[in-house]
Amino acid sequence: DAKTTQPTSMDCAEGRAANLPCNHSTISGNEYVYWYRQIHSQGPQYIIHGLKNNETNEMASLIITEDRKSSTLILPHATLRDTAVYYCIVRVDGTSGSRLTFGEGTQLTVNP
Amino acid sequence: NAGVTQTPKFRILKIGQSMTLQCTQDMNHNYMYWYRQDPGMGLKLIYYSVGAGITDKGEVPNGYNVSRSTTEDFPLRLELAAPSQTSVYFCLSNRGGGLNTEAFFGQGTSLTVV
Repeated sequence: DAKTTQPTSMDCAEGRAANLPCNHSTISGNEYVYWYRQIHSQGPQYIIHGLKNNETNEMASLIITEDRKSSTLILPHATLRDTAVYYCIVRVDGTSGSRLTFGEGTQLTVNP
Repeated sequence: NAGVTQTPKFRILKIGQSMTLQCTQDMNHNYMYWYRQDPGMGLKLIYYSVGAGITDKGEVPNGYNVSRSTTEDFPLRLELAAPSQTSVYFCLSNRGGGLNTEAFFGQGTSLTVV
């Protein structure tokens, strides 16, 4: 199963871009990279996902390297409400289908 | 659509008691998952199901059981509660059948075993 590695914590100034890295060096050719975040103990919230090309939506941008071994989630203008744990996930295949396996995530703290 | 609904939101159990955490989704998703999250830790997969009648173990299945008699429901059963099962439990569903599908989480069940 492809695993992901993320820094434990990061800080960002309010209004600046937050760049969250993720390594997934064992990713397979047909596996997608997903990003979720979790604020306090609420249910995780979907942010964005991608396969090869860079993706952008109203929440964030996802930059995937050409060899697909790493990616970066970009929050272009971080706010205090973006303080959360961010999970980078690679979709894996189990014996009976697909499952999502989470790592420890990155605690992003946005400072005023 | 209500999405993914988990009940109860909070529960305190005594050691050795049993309970069922309910999870229901109204999106006709085939894939459903149960995760637990211990304080300050990431999410760990307990069990998952790729459709009615099919379940599989995840990373931390010991002490739990699941069933999937319908597409909508995926209850998680704790038979003999232990303090190590104190955690927040999340249910997740997605359409499956391909890799490009968004997953939907429930709001979680906070369980304390004393």
